[in-house]
Amino acid sequence: ETGVTQSPTHLIKTRGQQVTLRCSSQSGHNTVSWYQQALGQGPQFIFQYYREEENGRGNFPPRFSGLQFPNYSSELNVNALELDDSALYLCASRKGGSSYNEQFFGPGTRLTVL
Amino acid sequence: AQRVTQPEKLLSVFKGAPVELKCNYSYSGSPELFWYVQYSRQRLQLLLRHISRESIKGFTADLNKGETSFHLKKPFAQEEDSAMYYCALSALGGTASKLTFGTGTRLQVTL
Repeated sequence: ETGVTQSPTHLIKTRGQQVTLRCSSQSGHNTVSWYQQALGQGPQFIFQYYREEENGRGNFPPRFSGLQFPNYSSELNVNALELDDSALYLCASRKGGSSYNEQFFGPGTRLTVL
Repeated sequence: AQRVTQPEKLLSVFKGAPVELKCNYSYSGSPELFWYVQYSRQRLQLLLRHISRESIKGFTADLNKGETSFHLKKPFAQEEDSAMYYCALSALGGTASKLTFGTGTRLQVTL
């Protein structure tokens, strides 16, 4: 069974640019969540996708957007990057339909905005 | 609003000593509480959840609704317990995976 994978591992962007981060969910999982983890902080929930629809969002501005594809992989897009967007971005997947199903996290993508 | 507080950034204990990692929460509804752990160079993983009432790797945690706490305990610390521990909360029975995490406590077990 393949776990959650994310790409790229790390990347560097400049302020004002746009970035796309990718996540492949674990086999059999149809729900993907994205989290932002700033240095020294716990992960913060950005949003969740279930069957290709966003069905939960945290306190993040609209320039944070996402997609989920028919194979349940997902993208996180961030427009107009700001210095404060520098963080580790985590993707987590689980089987949908019940909150009791465990979330499995990926290794993260480290984004640095200069 | 949901909030999780972990007051200690670092907890250093000797091998064989008891461990207690503190977690307090605020939430107006019925919460589900979790402990996640991240070992060095590994990804974040679930350690235990209050609903399961399990003991995992010798760790236990009891939800105290009166004190709004979910402290993680282990009677005898082992070197391999050294890791970053995060307490997290979600809405009980909710369909979204939204977890609210604390800032984490680094547990350091020394000889």
